[in-house]
Amino acid sequence: NSKVIQTPRYLVKGQGQKAKMRCIPEKGHPVVFWYQQNKNNEFKFLINFQNQEVLQQIDMTEKRFSAECPSNSPCSLEIQSSEAGDSALYLCASSLSGPANTEVFFGKGTRLTVV
Amino acid sequence: QQKVQQSPESLIVPEGAMTSLNCTFSDSASQYFAWYRQHSGKAPKALMSIFSNGEKEEGRFTIHLNKASLHFSLHIRDSQPSDSALYLCAVLNSGTYQRFGTGTKLQVVP
Repeated sequence: NSKVIQTPRYLVKGQGQKAKMRCIPEKGHPVVFWYQQNKNNEFKFLINFQNQEVLQQIDMTEKRFSAECPSNSPCSLEIQSSEAGDSALYLCASSLSGPANTEVFFGKGTRLTVV
Repeated sequence: QQKVQQSPESLIVPEGAMTSLNCTFSDSASQYFAWYRQHSGKAPKALMSIFSNGEKEEGRFTIHLNKASLHFSLHIRDSQPSDSALYLCAVLNSGTYQRFGTGTKLQVVP
């Protein structure tokens, strides 16, 4: 069973509204990833962190999303102004060590619907 | 930019058959190759991974990597209905995250 906990499982927002989702990585995992999986199963990398620092993010994330991984608190990903095209499954994953390593462990995701 | 593509998009096989799934990538400097499985409504979960050319077997699953051909594959021996899922390949090149293919939907019918 996945030990990466994502909340909420489902989120419905109107266009222009903020949408915030949270992730508790597996215990002891310092690296956290956020991916967006659309209805065609395409995975888009959004951002990753090592401890509290951003490792890498795409332009869209930088412009429209707000993300953080504070110490001793859940990581979060927030869309500042939701658009219809943001409807997707948002997957959080964590790994034990840096990017060159290995396996990432995924949560079950937050399914966002923008109406 | 790295492109990761999978084939076929979907596959139906009878129980007990061998299943072969393919993944191609575009960056020859890629260094880590993995297969994940995602059952409907569940989290993707890593199945197997490989770093260097060759073959690796774990139970009914075998992964092949040929970097020169920019290709790796997953073979499932004695496919079971419980293997029915979305299979995703993932590749890590010089960046900090794995790039995923769009998946192959596998259905194993009794």
